[in-house]
Amino acid sequence: DQQVKQNSPSLSVQEGRISILNCDYTNSMFDYFLWYKKYPAEGPTFLISISSIKDKNEDGRFTVFLNKSAKHLSLHIVPSQPGDSAVYFCAATSNAGNNRKLIWGLGTSLAVNP
Amino acid sequence: GAVVSQHPSRVICKSGTSVKIECRSLDFQATTMFWYRQFPKQSLMLMATSNEGSKATYEQGVEKDKFLINHASLTLSTLTVTSAHPEDSSFYICSARDGGPPLHFGNGTRLTVT
Repeated sequence: DQQVKQNSPSLSVQEGRISILNCDYTNSMFDYFLWYKKYPAEGPTFLISISSIKDKNEDGRFTVFLNKSAKHLSLHIVPSQPGDSAVYFCAATSNAGNNRKLIWGLGTSLAVNP
Repeated sequence: GAVVSQHPSRVICKSGTSVKIECRSLDFQATTMFWYRQFPKQSLMLMATSNEGSKATYEQGVEKDKFLINHASLTLSTLTVTSAHPEDSSFYICSARDGGPPLHFGNGTRLTVT
């Protein structure tokens, strides 16, 4: 049972345009969501997060939107740059006595074309 | 920011031998560390949660006698793959928490068993 779903395995955008990566979840107990970026043969790098009490968090070119009623979040990157090409993982966690274990999506591979 | 160092980054070993992977939090104390495994084109799979001074908690399907985890100090956790076989070849990543989320990840270890 995939509690965190990233339904698009890949996405291709032109440099300078907006990249929108989507993530859906099923567990209403999740109260904190994170986006990680991963290059091949490296560990994931934390990008941005959002608490369930907010609906938007912005950090430079990266903005995460959370729609709790739809159990959906999205990561917007604008403007997209070739260096943004990587796999992006959505993760969620709850404070349900489980060491705040992260539940991961399967990732979306983003290609930003020059 | 918080830095997690993982060593070695790459290791090749013969079938039947054991391999130890180290994960260190360099500038913070990590009471909890997580070990992940990633198969090609798949998401990160949590193998076990390592708590300092106590036994690790393994996820369902992960053999605790094969993947030995030791978290002897607040800055060091080790994963030992015992009697490695070719099917253990994978990318292993550790992460540590500096308080709440986000997790900070090491750069991973590429294990190849011949």
